[in-house]
Amino acid sequence: EAGVVQSPRYKIIEKKQPVAFWCNPISGHNTLYWYLQNLGQGPELLIRYENEEAVDDSQLPKDRFSAERLKGVDSTLKIQPAELGDSAVYLCASSSRLAGTTDTQYFGPGTRLTVL
Amino acid sequence: TQLLEQSPQFLSIQEGENLTVYCNSSSVFSSLQWYRQEPGEGPVLLVTVVTGGEVKKLKRLTFQFGDARKDSSLHITAAQTGDTGLYLCAGALYSWGKLQFGAGTQVVVTP
Repeated sequence: EAGVVQSPRYKIIEKKQPVAFWCNPISGHNTLYWYLQNLGQGPELLIRYENEEAVDDSQLPKDRFSAERLKGVDSTLKIQPAELGDSAVYLCASSSRLAGTTDTQYFGPGTRLTVL
Repeated sequence: TQLLEQSPQFLSIQEGENLTVYCNSSSVFSSLQWYRQEPGEGPVLLVTVVTGGEVKKLKRLTFQFGDARKDSSLHITAAQTGDTGLYLCAGALYSWGKLQFGAGTQVVVTP
């Protein structure tokens, strides 16, 4: 079974430029997460999708960040414009979340963003 | 301030030694998970504990959930170089709640 796929793996941009990250979750997984991981820290949730609906985006900085999950499969996370402080690893995870059970999330390898 | 505090932040040991890492909080969790993350990769789930006092073993790794469901520990017996990685604990305050991650413990096992 293929895991969570993310691209690109690395991205270097200048500040104020736009950037987009793509995630393809594990087939059949209805829940998709985007996390931000700063160096030396654990992942922090940015947004959670149940199918195509964003059900938790309270931590997403909406002035510059946007996300979409068309058709409830692939997802794209965009930053426009990027700031120096956005340099981090952006992780995508997916799960087949079932009511009453503990969620098991499968993470992709992440996209390492460097903003110069 | 993070909801989950992990200690130590960094641990360097030699092969064959034992180690314990801790995950503490003042909050009660519905469940707690441990992940290992290697450089350039995403975290990989090792175990989920849900019952206070629960102990789970995964080969040389022993996980314990505190009786009050506020803390957890991970013990590795006879560490191997393949155990090197960032160990993250993550808890959910309720069954449908989002995972809150600790900052992690970086473990380095040298030959």
